[in-house]
Parts: sequence; structure tokens; C-alpha cells
Amino acid sequence: AQKITQTQPGMFVQEKEAVTLDCTYDTSDPSYGLFWYKQPSSGEMIFLIYQGSYDQQNATEGRYSLNFQKARKSANLVISASQLGDSAMYFCAMRVHSGGYQKVTFGIGTKLQVIP
Amino acid sequence: DVKVTQSSRYLVKRTGEKVFLECVQDMDHENMFWYRQDPGLGLRLIYFSYDVKMKEKGDIPEGYSVSREKKERFSLILESASTNQTSMYLCASSFPPGRSVGKNIQYFGAGTRLSVL
Repeated sequence: AQKITQTQPGMFVQEKEAVTLDCTYDTSDPSYGLFWYKQPSSGEMIFLIYQGSYDQQNATEGRYSLNFQKARKSANLVISASQLGDSAMYFCAMRVHSGGYQKVTFGIGTKLQVIP
Repeated sequence: DVKVTQSSRYLVKRTGEKVFLECVQDMDHENMFWYRQDPGLGLRLIYFSYDVKMKEKGDIPEGYSVSREKKERFSLILESASTNQTSMYLCASSFPPGRSVGKNIQYFGAGTRLSVL
């Protein structure tokens, strides 16, 4: 069975500082994908960044980077230079292929609040 | 830009009513998904569809059904709404496994907040 664990229910960060949101995963499938989504108070889930299990380098998208440590089964999201608009829920997710279909498992999320 | 549109942002229904939640995507995605989101539980998969007229149960299908008559539209049906179905419902779509485009990213709609009284 697949599992995503996010152990930080809430985080605070000062504006312009960097913050790391933790995510660990568990799967026996050798091929998987890891995602991070942002959900502002408006409700829409916004895709941020993707890391494939065979990717050699950590993924980066602008101010977002994914610290992928395969042996530790962790996929932490790093947001550099936090902005007030980064205040939101953040979800880590993992996709595996199961029986010909893709199955995505989500963590319970981390609420990030950026302080001016 | 990928667009996934859910017909209602907010819905209030009474216990026992039949409820339809509609979702339309414009990216020609084969796969579509319905999740419910509850605080402390994250997103849980209700049903998904990998093609027109095809459907598969997710992790929590009880009390729900779905319909996919056209590729772009995926409907979630609450046959007889109950108070424990009060939740946020999110629709998503993606390409199927094996399609390298977009890394099979699931794109989401804005969600429907359903209250059952």
C-alpha cells in the first residue's frame, strides 16, 4: 500500500525567509512520481512541482525546489524567499501505476502562514 | 492553460435529496477523478474514470455513483444525500499512464463545498 506522511500540521515563516515542508512516502513500486500542490483559501489545488523516482537531479520550479532523498524516502518542498501569497495549505502526493491505472495518494497537508 | 471547471462553488442540500456535481475539462484528458477533502484526512478518492463510459471505484465509493457519457464531462452523484457527505469535493483530470506529456499531472477544479442539512 502507498502512504504519504506530512508531520507538520502548521508552519510559520517570516516573509523573505526560506521554509521547508516535510514529506515522507512509502511504496514498494520502483517507479513513482512525487508532487506538491498548493491550496489557497479559495480552494483550488495548484500544481507546484514534480519529481520522478528515476530523476537524478532534484526538481526546481522558480522559488520551489524538491529535496528528493530516495534512500530516506523523503520529498521535502523548499520555498525560498517566502511571500505573503505563499500562505496556503500544501499537499504532498505520490503517483504509482496500479493495475494499468494511476493511483495518487495525498498527505493530510501542512498549513503555511507567512508573517510580514 | 488546462481548465477544469466545476459547476458550483457552494451547494446546500437537504438530507435525502439527489445531488449532482458536474465537472468539465478542456484538455482532452482521458482520466478524470472525484475526491473529497476533509480536515485532517487530506484528499480521498471516490471514483475515477479512465475513458468514456468507464468507471472504477476509489477508496470511499459508498453512497456515491458517477457518470461519464462524454470525454470532457464527469459527474458525481449522491443518490440520497446524508449529513456525513458534507465536505469539499474536488474534480481532477490527467492524461493516462504511458503518456509522457505533462508527467501525468492531475489538474484540479476549484472545488465544490457541499453542505447537507
